[in-house]
Amino acid sequence: EAGVVQSPRYKIIEKKQPVAFWCNPISGHNTLYWYRQNLGQGPELLIRYENEEAVDDSQLPKDRFSAERLKGVDSTLKIQPAELGDSAVYLCASTPWGGSYEQYFGPGTRLTVT
Amino acid sequence: QKEVEQNSGPLSVPEGAIASLNCTYSDRGSQSFFWYRQYSGKSPELIMFIYSNGDKEDGRFTAQLNKASQYVSLLIRDSQPSDSATYLCAVLSGYSTLTFGKGTMLLVSP
Repeated sequence: EAGVVQSPRYKIIEKKQPVAFWCNPISGHNTLYWYRQNLGQGPELLIRYENEEAVDDSQLPKDRFSAERLKGVDSTLKIQPAELGDSAVYLCASTPWGGSYEQYFGPGTRLTVT
Repeated sequence: QKEVEQNSGPLSVPEGAIASLNCTYSDRGSQSFFWYRQYSGKSPELIMFIYSNGDKEDGRFTAQLNKASQYVSLLIRDSQPSDSATYLCAVLSGYSTLTFGKGTMLLVSP
């Protein structure tokens, strides 16, 4: 069974530029999460989807961040414009359904904003 | 603000020893507790979860939960150099929302 797929693995951009990250969860997993992990910190939830519905986006900085999961499968997280403080690893995770608490993480996208 | 506290370490143990990793949490309503292992440059990997007070054993790993003290721990017996990683404690509060601690770095020396 393929795991959670993310791309790109690394991204370097200048501040004020846009950037997008893509995630394809494990097949059949209805719940998808985007986390941000800063150096030396644990992952922090940005948004959670149940199928195509964003059910928890309370921690998503909505002035510059947006996300979508149009068909309830893969998802895109976008930052526009990026700031220096956005440099972090962006992790995608999925679970079979919302009541299953074992989250499987993708390899992450390491973003560097210069 | 729900908080999960871990000592950042590093915790250094010799090969073959028992490593003890600790975690406290602030939300008394927390239901489930997870330990993730994260190797440097890699993503977190679930190794244990516990829901009930007491001990839960899985191979060399034992998770311990004390809800009254809001305390959860992970014991690693017969530690190996390959166990060297950062161990993240995560707490489930509400529906499907995990709050992670900062992690404890474990170093196992040969």
